[in-house]
Amino acid sequence: SSELTQDPAVSVALGQTVRITCQGDSLRSYYASWYQQKPGQAPVLVMYGKNNRPSGIPDRFSGSSSGNTASLTITGAQAEDEADYYCNSRDSSSIHFGGGTKLTVL
Amino acid sequence: EVQLVESGGGLVQPGRSLRLSCAASGFTFDDYAMHWVRQAPGKGLEWVSGISWNSGSIAYADSVKGRFTISRDNAKNSLYLQMNSLRAEDTALYYCAKDIRPTVTTSFDYWGQGTLVTVSS
Repeated sequence: SSELTQDPAVSVALGQTVRITCQGDSLRSYYASWYQQKPGQAPVLVMYGKNNRPSGIPDRFSGSSSGNTASLTITGAQAEDEADYYCNSRDSSSIHFGGGTKLTVL
Repeated sequence: EVQLVESGGGLVQPGRSLRLSCAASGFTFDDYAMHWVRQAPGKGLEWVSGISWNSGSIAYADSVKGRFTISRDNAKNSLYLQMNSLRAEDTALYYCAKDIRPTVTTSFDYWGQGTLVTVSS
């Protein structure tokens, strides 16, 4: 299946650690990429490949994968991390996004 | 500075056609694959189509296959999306996005601000 499943909403206390997950069969074969989207803005790539952060992305963001689950971890969440987070991956013919996770920083 | 500027959106009737354009600057356009990604109002991201650096590899989402055509003109640093037989469910903000590699991957490191397509009678 090409479907990617994300929890609709997750919350974290300021300064604590949060893991956002993405599940799907395609993740057994392909890495996920992760995007952050704030209201009214275009998405921003925050993680790709095994655990690669684009230039400018803070090192509190990290990525991992096991079996059919990819994870984006934010260690020491900041207020500015409050956003929607989307994973994507591919199958043999197409690319798919997860439904997104709304992260609230309390 | 990398810039991606989409244009061509607007209000169109169901069944009609529309052509989106994306003007790229600030990077060597023909070194990278490019994509179209859309977002319906209040909804999540949906990948629409991707094209490799030399147009040798093209892929589409099932939802648009046979109706949409992606193309690029490397001489003009431009990406296009020809949208035919438009449906109400195609209503969305359409983003142009740059891949990190020449071939189609899932990693898009620069995005435009989008152009809104509304399909309605």
